[in-house]
Amino acid sequence: KAGVTQTPRYLIKTRGQQVTLSCSPISGHRSVSWYQQTPGQGLQFLFEYFSETQRNKGNFPGRFSGRQFSNSRSEMNVSTLELGDSALYLCASSLDGQGGQPQHFGDGTRLSIL
Amino acid sequence: QKEVEQDPGPLSVPEGAIVSLNCTYSNSAFQYFMWYRQYSRKGPELLMYTYSSGNKEDGRFTAQVDKSSKYISLFIRDSQPSDSATYLCATKNTGNQFYFGTGTSLTVIP
Repeated sequence: KAGVTQTPRYLIKTRGQQVTLSCSPISGHRSVSWYQQTPGQGLQFLFEYFSETQRNKGNFPGRFSGRQFSNSRSEMNVSTLELGDSALYLCASSLDGQGGQPQHFGDGTRLSIL
Repeated sequence: QKEVEQDPGPLSVPEGAIVSLNCTYSNSAFQYFMWYRQYSRKGPELLMYTYSSGNKEDGRFTAQVDKSSKYISLFIRDSQPSDSATYLCATKNTGNQFYFGTGTSLTVIP
């Protein structure tokens, strides 16, 4: 069974640009969550999507947005990039996000802002 | 106060040692507890998953939850150089909001 797939693995952008990251969850998983990981802050929750609807949202500015498609694939968009957005962006999927189901992570997209 | 607190280390031990990794959490409503292992340039990999209090063993790994003191532990027996990684504890309630520790960096020296 294929795991969570994130593309691209690496991205280099400049300040002010925008970027779109993609995540394909494990087959059959309908809940997709996005996290930002930095050395100082650890894993910070961005948002969770289930059945094409945002179900939970973390404390990030509106420049960070996402969506989920009918096949459960998800995209995350960051507009007007800032230097502080440099981080590893991780996607995690679970069956439906309820009860005790754990999340399974992809290997992330490493975003560098110049 | 953060929902989950974890000592960042780094922790360095000789091969064969017993490793103890620990976290505390703040919300007594948390019922599910996880440990993830993250190698450099990779995403976190689910290592252990437990529900409520008690111990769970899987090979050289034992996860322990003490809900009375809100304490989570991961023990690694006979540690190997391949165990060198960052270990993240995580917890959640019945919803889908996960809370992660900041991770403990472990190095096992041959």
